[in-house]
Amino acid sequence: DTEVTQTPKHLVMGMTNKKSLKCEQHMGHRAMYWYKQKAKKPPELMFVYSYEKLSINESVPSRFSPECPNSSLLNLHLHALQPEDSALYLCASSQVRKGGAGANVLTFGAGSRLTVL
Amino acid sequence: AQSVTQLDSQVPVFEEAPVELRCNYSSSVSVYLFWYVQYPNQGLQLLLKYLSGSTLVKGINGFEAEFNKSQTSFHLRKPSVHISDTAEYFCAVSRPGGGADGLTFGKGTHLIIQP
Repeated sequence: DTEVTQTPKHLVMGMTNKKSLKCEQHMGHRAMYWYKQKAKKPPELMFVYSYEKLSINESVPSRFSPECPNSSLLNLHLHALQPEDSALYLCASSQVRKGGAGANVLTFGAGSRLTVL
Repeated sequence: AQSVTQLDSQVPVFEEAPVELRCNYSSSVSVYLFWYVQYPNQGLQLLLKYLSGSTLVKGINGFEAEFNKSQTSFHLRKPSVHISDTAEYFCAVSRPGGGADGLTFGKGTHLIIQP
């Protein structure tokens, strides 16, 4: 299995709703990422988990709350979002090479397209 | 810190013609370089990567790229494009070393194939 699976593919929510995006991989990767992509823009890094621990938070507002319950799953909990948070949210995973040189080659999911009304 | 510049936001090409998408990087240390493709309403797919070794890298779908350290470039080429190559192409860079710190992407180049 060489895929990263994201659900749901589309999500519409109001500003007072609470929802979650889910991401799953079974490649044995120990790093997982959330990226946000606005239309006609490159992906922007939000969070990185390495060995199920949050290692990077790119100053993301607290209305986005990541969770990594195990090495295969990554969630992004959403609460009190704003219309400007509407975007494509991409999950990715990679191997992690501890203690030395190595490339983190990211495998991306198809994304969850979020619309905030 | 490293950065990537994609010199063209949009490249129109006729079908079966060759194409080159340009990418320049900036870094004070050695880097790894990648090209990803994004088809409409999809995620990113890895086309090819340069980690070390031969500077000419071959990828999927007939694409190749050449790493040029002196010119700090990593241009993507294909000798003959097809309608199905219409997509957004992103050049990306990461720094070597252990740990996971994601990729830094260029702004993207929209490849438009004209029949």
